[in-house]
Amino acid sequence: KQEVTQIPAALSVPEGENLVLNCSFTDSAIYNLQWFRQDPGKGLTSLLLIQSSQREQTSGRLNASLDKSSGRSTLYIAASQPGDSATYLCALNTGTASKLTFGTGTRLQVTL
Amino acid sequence: NAGVTQTPKFQVLKTGQSMTLQCAQDMNHEYMSWYRQDPGMGLRLIHYSVGAGITDQGEVPNGYNVSRSTTEDFPLRLLSAAPSQTSVYFCASSPLGGVWTGELFFGEGSRLTVL
Repeated sequence: KQEVTQIPAALSVPEGENLVLNCSFTDSAIYNLQWFRQDPGKGLTSLLLIQSSQREQTSGRLNASLDKSSGRSTLYIAASQPGDSATYLCALNTGTASKLTFGTGTRLQVTL
Repeated sequence: NAGVTQTPKFQVLKTGQSMTLQCAQDMNHEYMSWYRQDPGMGLRLIHYSVGAGITDQGEVPNGYNVSRSTTEDFPLRLLSAAPSQTSVYFCASSPLGGVWTGELFFGEGSRLTVL
């Protein structure tokens, strides 16, 4: 059974700092991996999608990488801002019935 | 642009009561799904549908029923609520194949407490 772990569960950084969020998974047989952002009391918003054949994807200050062989993905946030404060979740598509397997999330707080 | 709309946003039930969580989308998406989110756990798929009249079970279907009579609506029914069903429920929709392209849209969630 695929297990997805995100460490740390919570992270607090000062504004302007570069940071890395981690996502680990146990089964490398994935089709793609997606990073989502969740604001308190809100739904999930897709940030980046990496196909299994890709190594990384970039969108603005966000860069996501994927290493299937080691079962890891990272989300790099450059020059963090208070508006980046949210919970970040990774989710894997294993090709089963359009189902995504989600990680537990990392709650990020960017302080002034 | 409504997207995915869930009602109610908050609900408190007593053990044994029944209720329906509503989900509607206005994007003409074929695929709709229900997830639950619990503290310390990732979102888990309850039920999903790939079109009107077609539903299937996800990872944690017990205690929940769904139906899909129209493309727009995908209600989730709790037949006899239990405290273990206390959770935040999310509805999501996408075009068919949306999980392959990242086109998955979520509602804002329904927080359910069962006493």
